[in-house]
Amino acid sequence: SYELTQPPSVSVSPGQTASITCSGDKLGDKYTGWYQQKPGQSPVVVIYHDTKRPSGIPERFSGSNSGNTATLTISGAQDVDEADYYCQAWDSSTDWVFGGGTKLTVL
Amino acid sequence: QVHLVQSGAEVKKPGASVKVSCTASGYTFSLYGISWVRQAPGQGLEWMGWISAYNGNTNYAQKYQDRVTMTTDTSTSTVYMELGSLRSDDTAVYYCARVHYYESSGYFDYWGQGTLVTVSA
Repeated sequence: SYELTQPPSVSVSPGQTASITCSGDKLGDKYTGWYQQKPGQSPVVVIYHDTKRPSGIPERFSGSNSGNTATLTISGAQDVDEADYYCQAWDSSTDWVFGGGTKLTVL
Repeated sequence: QVHLVQSGAEVKKPGASVKVSCTASGYTFSLYGISWVRQAPGQGLEWMGWISAYNGNTNYAQKYQDRVTMTTDTSTSTVYMELGSLRSDDTAVYYCARVHYYESSGYFDYWGQGTLVTVSA
């Protein structure tokens, strides 16, 4: 089965840039998305189709996907961005797969 | 406004089955599929399967192939997920999520509030 690997935790200072990676075999050949989940809440999509940002998601969230790695970048991280982030990959052979999740700490 | 409302928490004994519902509103039900995702306590998200609200076609994750059934009731815009032969490690929050199709891919744009299923003797 297809696997996605994320770092368990990432820390960032307020106002700085946070990068969360997601790696998988030939991940660049698949479509990726990113979901934010705060404690006790349902996940929220922040990036889809590698680079697209849904309406209502701040511009500081951006995504990329190439080779074996997808990256979620939060430019100018804020306290409200502290959450768990999950990458997701899709293609017709694997359907949807989630990474293990990354806890983002803003301190 | 799109809403997915799930049924309430369940407590089941090992070996039993559980059926969780997800009622959609605020959009044309048949135009979107629904996926089910579960999250064990303190763990990550895990995709379980997908059902088309248009024709009822399903696609289950291999791990659940032999004990999950997803169905739809278009008259009430409701999707059901039934998981059988429950074990203690099936204790989790189960989410339904609407699948938004975009340029031959899909992502989950709206989620239900989650249903806690506890499996305990």
